[in-house]
Amino acid sequence: DIQMTQSPSTLSASIGDRVTITCRATQSITNWLAWYQQKLGEAPNLLIYKASTLESGVPSRFSGGGSGTEFTLTISSLQPDDFTTYYCQQYYSFPLSFGGGTKVEIK
Amino acid sequence: QVQLQESGPGLVKPSETLSLTCTVSGGSVSSNNYYWNWIRQPPGKGLEWIGYVFYTGSTDFNPSLKSRVTMSMDTSKNQFSLKLSSVTAADTAIYYCARSSLGASFHRYWGQGTLVTVSS
Repeated sequence: DIQMTQSPSTLSASIGDRVTITCRATQSITNWLAWYQQKLGEAPNLLIYKASTLESGVPSRFSGGGSGTEFTLTISSLQPDDFTTYYCQQYYSFPLSFGGGTKVEIK
Repeated sequence: QVQLQESGPGLVKPSETLSLTCTVSGGSVSSNNYYWNWIRQPPGKGLEWIGYVFYTGSTDFNPSLKSRVTMSMDTSKNQFSLKLSSVTAADTAIYYCARSSLGASFHRYWGQGTLVTVSS
C-alpha cells in the first residue's frame, strides 16, 4: 500500500503570503495525485488533479506540481478564504490513500 | 449537477453493524464510468478511504477494514450502501459518499457527510 505524508502539518502565514505544502509518496505514483481543500464542517473540495490540473472554478492562485514521489501545492497569495485544511490523495493504485492534512492558519 | 446525500442512524452501539445509504441525483449509479465510494473522517482527524462499489456490484475495500465491510447498490433507487460490522468507538467518524471516475479515482463529487457515533 502507498502511504502519503504531508508537511508541514500546520503552517502559519499572513494574507498575501506565498505558501507551499509538500506531499510525499512511499513509491512513485507518476502524476496521479489530487489536492483537496476542506473547510470546517464541510466535505473536501477538489482543487487539483493529475498533480497540476486545476479543477474548473478553482482560483488561479492555486497551483500544483511534482511527479514521482514528491508533490507541491502552492497558493501564490493567501486570501482570507484560504485559511483552512488541505489534503493530498494518491490514485495511482488501490487502496486509495490521503495525506494527513495541512492546516493553514493565520499568523 | 451530480449530488450525493448520505442517510442512516447517527448512533450505533458497540459490536453492532453500521448501515448507511447514499442517494444520488443528477446522475446514475448504473453508469459504467464511475466508482461509488465511501470515505470516513474521525472527528478532528484525516480522511480514510473505505472502499468502492461499481455498477456491476464489484467492490474493492481498504485492507484495514476489509473483513468488516460490505457495499452494495440499488439501481432502482439510484442508491448505494455501506455496512460496517462489529463497530467500536474507533469507528466513530463522519462518513462521506463520493464519486470517482474509472481510471482516475479522485473525488469530484461528495455528499455532505454524516456523523456516526459508536456508543452504548
